[in-house]
Amino acid sequence: QSALTQPASVSGSPGQSITISCTGTSSDVGGYNYVSWYQQHPGKAPKLMVYDVSKWPSGASNRFSGSKSGNTASLTISGLQAEDEADYYCTSYTRSTTPGYVFGTGTKVTVL
Amino acid sequence: EVQLVQSGAEVKKSGESLKISCKGSGYSFTNYWIGWVRQMPGKGLEWMGIIYPGDSDTRYSPSFQGQVTISADKSIDTAYLQWSSLKASDSAMYYCAAQRYGNAGFDPWGQGTLVTVSS
Repeated sequence: QSALTQPASVSGSPGQSITISCTGTSSDVGGYNYVSWYQQHPGKAPKLMVYDVSKWPSGASNRFSGSKSGNTASLTISGLQAEDEADYYCTSYTRSTTPGYVFGTGTKVTVL
Repeated sequence: EVQLVQSGAEVKKSGESLKISCKGSGYSFTNYWIGWVRQMPGKGLEWMGIIYPGDSDTRYSPSFQGQVTISADKSIDTAYLQWSSLKASDSAMYYCAAQRYGNAGFDPWGQGTLVTVSS
């Protein structure tokens, strides 16, 4: 099972909006509305930001929004802030392999 | 507070065995899948496998099948990840996480256990 494809890096200035893509196949991203997004700061554990494509877990910021079109899911960060600088990973349910999940390759977000 | 607390960092030699733990609190531990994730130094996240503590139903990623054993003791709300014979390439950070949101929504995460294996 290949990892989902994300851009290696995305950057933006404070206050701007940026979008991170996550491309898979019809066996994962395209076949199910089970995509979630995680933020990871250096030396820290990942944190769930969005689940089931566009839902927010308890306590998450609504500056982070998710969407999906075909085999590509996206995470948009609005009103970019310095603390948003981190690595971001998507994950999707997949029917192609156990345990039924696959991560994206990861995207480094830089706040200019 | 809903949390997962993992056991501390380990330094081992190649060929040794190891079992690390992940203890849940603040929620119904037995009713949510626990996933284990590997992160090698400077690299991305990889799913290793998942376990349902309620009945110990376990599923492994093909890359990790036969290399590790995932288990759980629901009487003490704890999941485990173990190796029978460590290799230097097992040196990594290992995270556990609970699937409490929808499908593929893992939260909380443990703080991570750093495993260092010398050859």
